[in-house]
Amino acid sequence: GAGVSQSPRYKVAKRGQDVALRCDPISGHVSLFWYQQALGQGPEFLTYFQNEAQLDKSGLPSDRFFAERPEGSVSTLKIQRTQQEDSAVYLCASSIPNRPGEDTQYFGPGTRLTVL
Amino acid sequence: ELKVEQNPLFLSMQEGKNYTIYCNYSTTSDRLYWYRQDPGKSLESLFVLLSNGAVKQEGRLMASLDTKARLSTLHITAAVHDLSATYFCAVAPGISGGSNYKLTFGKGTLLTVNP
Repeated sequence: GAGVSQSPRYKVAKRGQDVALRCDPISGHVSLFWYQQALGQGPEFLTYFQNEAQLDKSGLPSDRFFAERPEGSVSTLKIQRTQQEDSAVYLCASSIPNRPGEDTQYFGPGTRLTVL
Repeated sequence: ELKVEQNPLFLSMQEGKNYTIYCNYSTTSDRLYWYRQDPGKSLESLFVLLSNGAVKQEGRLMASLDTKARLSTLHITAAVHDLSATYFCAVAPGISGGSNYKLTFGKGTLLTVNP
């Protein structure tokens, strides 16, 4: 079946603009994750949803970052008043939780955000 | 705070050679994942290791987990050019059944296999 999809794949924003990044998880996956990957680094956890509930947002770097998943499927990561340090690839992943051997997180292609 | 260290960070090897990538982590965990990332692409799941002593093999890659030493290895046998990529290990904290959803990644090992 279809994997995790993300849009847009590339986004260029001027400093101070707001951006919205979309993630469509694998159908039936109740867990959804957002990660930020800086150039040459491993992904870093931002936030986690189980269905529509945001259970952990400890990785969000500032209150300019906001994520939602209102119907427990598609999720949006919003960044307000973008700064240059927000430039990174934003990865979305989904999984079936708490089932040993089946909880692999499957990643989408990412959105590369460049803030000028 | 869970820390994950990989080494080496850069690995250049010749086709046909063997090598091992190491992944150390700092707190108790029995869930470790290996991913592959090609340039400009997303992460592809390679292995899930869920218990002490777990060993999994796929083609020329073999991964193992020693939870007591907090160490996982990714062994490459008779490398071929197609294996060139960045390899990440990622650890979920805690013990199975707990709050082990959040992955902490290493910095990655950039593997280049030369003809």
